[in-house]
Amino acid sequence: QQQVKQSPQSLIVQKGGISIINCAYENTAFDYFPWYQQFPGKGPALLIAIRPDVSEKKEGRFTISFNKSAKQFSLHIMDSQPGDSATYFCASSSNTGKLIFGQGTTLQVKP
Amino acid sequence: GAGVSQSPSNKVTEKGKDVELRCDPISGHTALYWYRQSLGQGLEFLIYFQGNSAPDKSGLPSDRFSAERTGGSVSTLTIQRTQQEDSAVYLCASQGVRPSGELFFGEGSRLTVL
Repeated sequence: QQQVKQSPQSLIVQKGGISIINCAYENTAFDYFPWYQQFPGKGPALLIAIRPDVSEKKEGRFTISFNKSAKQFSLHIMDSQPGDSATYFCASSSNTGKLIFGQGTTLQVKP
Repeated sequence: GAGVSQSPSNKVTEKGKDVELRCDPISGHTALYWYRQSLGQGLEFLIYFQGNSAPDKSGLPSDRFSAERTGGSVSTLTIQRTQQEDSAVYLCASQGVRPSGELFFGEGSRLTVL
């Protein structure tokens, strides 16, 4: 019940394309769903997060779509750029519990 | 400083030696995590401290690993009798209070066991 499953493991997208990364969770008590971005040699940093009271959140080119009934959420990167090449981690937590991370997706955006 | 600070940034040791890795979290953050990340791999959860509660040690891979958090602030991860498979980057993160819940990561301590 504590797992967060992330796919795909790796993704290659052409510049200007849409990158889509998916996550599924099991624990219905989870109420916080962030995405973290990690560049080589750096620690992960918060990119965008959503709570289950909304189905979508957009910040610039990054959008989280949330499907509570399916217990799934996804990250969409519009107009993907080479500078978006990084590893992306989804995560989930409940109000009192620790943050559980997915396995990570390595994104490569080709010029 | 304003962020999470980890030291040392790089540590090379010989197999069988003990190592200590230090994490200075953001002031006021009550939750602190340790993760291990091998090259090109994901975040392997090690241990979670939350306030005065008993730490969640469920991710520690063996009894050679231990961690403490003194005074609710600085944390030290200790690896005894290091093995080559312990080579990785060890990341520390502290967590802001709810409703944010954002984790702030340090830049990690890269451990190489020869």
